[in-house]
Amino acid sequence: NAGVTQTPKFQVLKTGQSMTLQCAQDMNHNSMYWYRQDPGMGLRLIYYSASEGTTDKGEVPNGYNVSRLNKREFSLRLESAAPSQTSVYFCASSEWSSGELFFGEGSRLTVL
Amino acid sequence: SQKIEQNSEALNIQEGKTATLTCNYTNYSPAYLQWYRQDPGRGPVFLLLIRENEKEKRKERLKVTFDTTLKQSLFHITASQPADSATYLCALEAGSSNTGKLIFGQGTTLQVKP
Repeated sequence: NAGVTQTPKFQVLKTGQSMTLQCAQDMNHNSMYWYRQDPGMGLRLIYYSASEGTTDKGEVPNGYNVSRLNKREFSLRLESAAPSQTSVYFCASSEWSSGELFFGEGSRLTVL
Repeated sequence: SQKIEQNSEALNIQEGKTATLTCNYTNYSPAYLQWYRQDPGRGPVFLLLIRENEKEKRKERLKVTFDTTLKQSLFHITASQPADSATYLCALEAGSSNTGKLIFGQGTTLQVKP
């Protein structure tokens, strides 16, 4: 019973490098989310996908792109990483737009 | 834009007492509000959802209230235990319509001492 799976769990990048965080859910949920969590800032929504084929910006989308590859997968891409993107990234999914969120265990990214 | 305020100071209480955490929002009242628990190094876990037409909701030792006049939700844990020690987050929709864009408060850390 995997739920929401994020990869990688840890990553260190140099400034300017690119990478993609992968997220997959096996609960047949329609909505998927990417959040970042920083000390004292709480969880901030980066991007959101209400359903397969749709994406929408959240509070802090700059420097990120997303792809809703299919119903199961929602990836987050950093094209040119910056130290300000050092954070813990959480993927989440929900059955419907107003439902409870199921979170992954997080991906800890450090940009040097 | 909608903002959520939770007490950033940690709440320390004695085992067996009732813990009360506060969530205030600043603009329009959301259709619903959610509460989550987060342990260190883990993702948040859903606890309760309360809708705008519900004044109170209970689940075992947990109780949530929702006051749209005060723009406030209170989260209570009765007969608290050391295992209840965690950070508690409230969440609600960012927009006035049903967009599903959930935003979170920064959370309040609860420490229950034996």
